[in-house]
Amino acid sequence: DAKTTQPNSMESNEEEPVHLPCNHSTISGTDYIHWYRQLPSQGPEYVIHGLTSNVNNRMASLAIAEDRKSSTLILHRATLRDAAVYYCILYSGGYQKVTFGIGTKLQVIP
Amino acid sequence: DAGVIQSPRHEVTEMGQEVTLRCKPISGHDYLFWYRQTMMRGLELLIYFNNNVPIDDSGMPEDRFSAKMPNASFSTLKIQPSEPRDSAVYFCASTEPVGNTIYFGEGSWLTVV
Repeated sequence: DAKTTQPNSMESNEEEPVHLPCNHSTISGTDYIHWYRQLPSQGPEYVIHGLTSNVNNRMASLAIAEDRKSSTLILHRATLRDAAVYYCILYSGGYQKVTFGIGTKLQVIP
Repeated sequence: DAGVIQSPRHEVTEMGQEVTLRCKPISGHDYLFWYRQTMMRGLELLIYFNNNVPIDDSGMPEDRFSAKMPNASFSTLKIQPSEPRDSAVYFCASTEPVGNTIYFGEGSWLTVV
């Protein structure tokens, strides 16, 4: 399995932008970069994904390095509800074994 | 759509007892995953199925764990006999045949005392 590396934890002030990094130096050409988040006492939920180009949706933005060996999830204005564990994973489709690991625990400070 | 449905939500059992966790995937999804989450190891993949067939069970910790998927709308994860170290949150997830999103259930919180 291609692996990802994320910081164990990060802090952000409320209303400030947050940049969550992810390294994936062994990414293959068919791997999509996915981000999920897990709110307390809930299952992980999909946030965003991309292949090569930067992506935006109502929840976040995803910035992908030109060599695709790293990416950054951007929350433009952190709210207390964004406090969660964020997972960066590589995923090529339903046939592939998908591992999530530890993720980054984001703390939002009021 | 009701999403991935898991039961029970919470279970407390005594060491040595059999535990059965249940999952109903989203209709039309042909991949089903069982994950275990602990503080120390994070979210680990135990086993996944495609079209009701187990594809990779290399994450199943030992013979005490078994999983079945008798049809497209139901799967079970069984632990027999249970041990305190099995205490964790167990998540079931499913995905579409060619989709990009994995949908998780709310989890089954297991405590073995």
